[in-house]
Amino acid sequence: KQEVTQIPAALSVPEGENLVLNCSFTDSAIYNLQWFRQDPGKGLTSLLLIQSSQREQTSGRLNASLDKSSGRSTLYIAASQPGDSATYLCAVEGSQGNLIFGKGTKLSVKP
Amino acid sequence: DGGITQSPKYLFRKEGQNVTLSCEQNLNHDAMYWYRQDPGQGLRLIYYSQIVNDFQKGDIAEGYSVSREKKESFPLTVTSAQKNPTAFYLCASSVQGGAEAFFGQGTRLTVV
Repeated sequence: KQEVTQIPAALSVPEGENLVLNCSFTDSAIYNLQWFRQDPGKGLTSLLLIQSSQREQTSGRLNASLDKSSGRSTLYIAASQPGDSATYLCAVEGSQGNLIFGKGTKLSVKP
Repeated sequence: DGGITQSPKYLFRKEGQNVTLSCEQNLNHDAMYWYRQDPGQGLRLIYYSQIVNDFQKGDIAEGYSVSREKKESFPLTVTSAQKNPTAFYLCASSVQGGAEAFFGQGTRLTVV
């Protein structure tokens, strides 16, 4: 059974720092991996989707990498801002097209 | 604006009562999903549908029911058989399995 783990569970950094969020999964036979952002009491906002044939995707200050063989993905956030404070969720696609989620990393960026 | 609309935003249920959560999308997506989110836990799949008039149980389907009579609509009913329904419910859709998934803003259900 696929399991997704995110480390750390919480992270607090000063504004301007570059940071890395980690995601690992137990079954490397995935179709894609998606990173989301969730603000308190809100739904999920899609950040980046990496297909299984891709190694990385970039959007603005965000860069996500995927290493299927080792079962790992990282989300790199450059020059962090207070507005980046949120919970970041990693999810891999299951065999039925559904997503299997980690528990998230709660990020706090201090001004 | 294209997107996924969930209603209501907040819902209160009395013990023994059935309630229905609405999910509508105008993205022309074939696949739709319902997830449940509890504090400290990841999202868990309740039901999903990849085509109209067809749906499958997810990991925690007991006490829930769904229908998919129209492509744009996938309502979730929380029945009295669900013993611990208080949670945040999220609806999602994608073009098909494997494509980027988009989420609604969620419905917070509380048992009173």
